[in-house]
Amino acid sequence: ETGVTQSPTHLIKTRGQQVTLRCSSQSGHNTVSWYQQALGQGPQFIFQYYREEENGRGNFPPRFSGLQFPNYSSELNVNALELDDSALYLCASSPASRNNEQFFGPGTRLTVL
Amino acid sequence: AQKITQTQPGMFVQEKEAVTLDCTYDTSDPSYGLFWYKQPSSGEMIFLIYQGSYDQQNATEGRYSLNFQKARKSANLVISASQLGDSAMYFCAMRVPYPNSNSGYALNFGKGTSLLVTP
Repeated sequence: ETGVTQSPTHLIKTRGQQVTLRCSSQSGHNTVSWYQQALGQGPQFIFQYYREEENGRGNFPPRFSGLQFPNYSSELNVNALELDDSALYLCASSPASRNNEQFFGPGTRLTVL
Repeated sequence: AQKITQTQPGMFVQEKEAVTLDCTYDTSDPSYGLFWYKQPSSGEMIFLIYQGSYDQQNATEGRYSLNFQKARKSANLVISASQLGDSAMYFCAMRVPYPNSNSGYALNFGKGTSLLVTP
C-alpha cells in the first residue's frame, strides 16, 4: 500500500503569481483534504474533495481552489499569491470506509516573495 | 465553536521517562473524535492515536495512551519510556463535521506542543 505523496517538495513564487500543488492519495482512498500550516501554527483546513466534488470548505477565499481526478489524485490551486500564503501545504487522504483516519503526505513548502 | 487548546508551547523530558502533553477541547456535538499527531522536522503528520467520544476505555497504542476525561473536556497524550526519536511537534485535533458532507470530515488542530527528549 503506497502512502500519500505530494509534489513539489519546495516552491518559491512571487506575489501575484499562481501556483498548483499536487497530491497523490493513498491507494483505495477516495477522500482528500488540504490543509495550510503557517509557521508555528497548527494546520488549518482549506477544503475536502470526495468523488471529484468539493465536500466541505474552511475559511479560505475563492482564490484557493482544487480539483480531484478519477484516480483520486488532487490539485490545490492558489491564484494571486500573497505573502501570507507562505506555508506548508499538507494533503491528507482517507478511505470512506474508515473515516477515523486521515493519512498525511509530507507537504509542500511554499514561499511567496 | 469547536476549538482545541494546547497550553504547553514546549516540553522537556529525559530519555526513558514518561511525559504528558495537555489538550482541552470545546464542542457541543455529542459525537466527536479526538486525534493526536506527531510532526517531525520533515513536516509529515504522523497519526498516533484516536479516541471517540463514546469509547468506554482510554485509547492506547504501544507507548502512547490517551487520558480521556470527558467531563473536563480533556484528552491528554501520555508517552511512556520516551525515546530521543520522540522529539517533535505534537498536535491534538478534533474531528469536525461539515454541512452537506457526503463523506469524511475535517480536523481542527491545536497550536501544538514542541517536545524535546534529552539524553
